[in-house]
Amino acid sequence: GAGVSQSPRYKVAKRGQDVALRCDPISGHVSLFWYQQALGQGPEFLTYFQNEAQLDKSGLPSDRFFAERPEGSVSTLKIQRTQQEDSAVYLCASSLASGPIDLHFGNGTRLTVT
Amino acid sequence: KQEVTQIPAALSVPEGENLVLNCSFTDSAIYNLQWFRQDPGKGLTSLLLIQSSQREQTSGRLNASLDKSSGRSTLYIAASQPGDSATYLCAAYSGNTPLVFGKGTRLSVIA
Repeated sequence: GAGVSQSPRYKVAKRGQDVALRCDPISGHVSLFWYQQALGQGPEFLTYFQNEAQLDKSGLPSDRFFAERPEGSVSTLKIQRTQQEDSAVYLCASSLASGPIDLHFGNGTRLTVT
Repeated sequence: KQEVTQIPAALSVPEGENLVLNCSFTDSAIYNLQWFRQDPGKGLTSLLLIQSSQREQTSGRLNASLDKSSGRSTLYIAASQPGDSATYLCAAYSGNTPLVFGKGTRLSVIA
């Protein structure tokens, strides 16, 4: 595709609900990253995939957060039992390189937990 | 643990001015330093990447410098335009660890 696509663009969830956020990276991109960006803050790293392998998940804030990329292309970030502090923009980025070099970002999913 | 700080948090300048955005990082053992632009409601767009062995990088009206020993990078924007209005973020990459971002500088260029 032309760029990194994320869906949905906006998501409102009631506290306690599960949500799934999707990322379609640029075709052929090896690396895929998920970041969480709170209002007025810089992006915070969540997790990193190289193809289908999740090489780093050190940024996931709790075991309620889970990410997968089963076929090395599309990735899903799942948040179980959402809490108000999960409200943020979730950004996905992909790269042809094996690492955070020449990153291409999607426009993000804005999650609001009420 | 790497920490990245950007000063100022916000900046407003008249069109045509040259300006400097500052970025500092605590761990000088970086692999590269990256500058991004973020428009409201959008993702980040990569502007410049400076390898640890380099002193500066230029792209059009943008020039980024890197001083590893002092833990500082600057982004210089020449002849600013209203279209430059956005949030500018810097990020430090140390190789084995994730890219660490600053909070950004919100720039407004007034016509």
